Amino acid sequence: GQQVMQIPQYQHVQEGEDFTTYCNSSTTLSNIQWYKQRPGGHPVFLIQLVKSGEVKKQKRLTFQFGEAKKNSSLHITATQTTDVGTYFCAGPTQGGSEKLVFGKGTKLTVNP
Amino acid sequence: KAGVTQTPRYLIKTRGQQVTLSCSPISGHRSVSWYQQTPGQGLQFLFEYFSETQRNKGNFPGRFSGRQFSNSRSEMNVSTLELGDSALYLCASSPRLGDTQYFGPGTRLTVL
Repeated sequence: GQQVMQIPQYQHVQEGEDFTTYCNSSTTLSNIQWYKQRPGGHPVFLIQLVKSGEVKKQKRLTFQFGEAKKNSSLHITATQTTDVGTYFCAGPTQGGSEKLVFGKGTKLTVNP
Repeated sequence: KAGVTQTPRYLIKTRGQQVTLSCSPISGHRSVSWYQQTPGQGLQFLFEYFSETQRNKGNFPGRFSGRQFSNSRSEMNVSTLELGDSALYLCASSPRLGDTQYFGPGTRLTVL
């Protein structure tokens, strides 16, 4: 079945450093979604990318969807302690009953 | 709009017991998905309901079951609880299958 892989699994940075997490799908995706889960919280939707090569920004966060629509990345510039959490990517399966397949997430910790 | 609500928020059970968790989706959302989250395991998909029908199912034993009512509210049931069932159970609603997931706060289940 469709798989969504995320790397790295863990990332520890010093406050102010940049951070990037990568997401790769075994199949072409119609869209890719990103979620953030703060410690002790629940996943919260961040953004959805639909077009090949699409780039979207949310303040210090930059999201990119690959040209082949099989990979995506989330880049955070100058991390802050508020960025701490686990970042998940997810993509819908194709054909039949669609469901969202989540990657295992990248857990980000930020040292102040 | 009110968000996704889940009850109860915390639950302690003993091995062999059964448990029922409840989820009320965002008004107008017809799809409800359930996930199990344990440390280091990411989001494990349990099942998804749409218009009272189970549309997708994850790789969990038959002890895990669910249903959806005509008002889109959903319940999941776990019978013959095992220690390994201790987890955060998250419910998410969306307008359509495979669409953006809006998560509830989760039910923290502890099996002793």
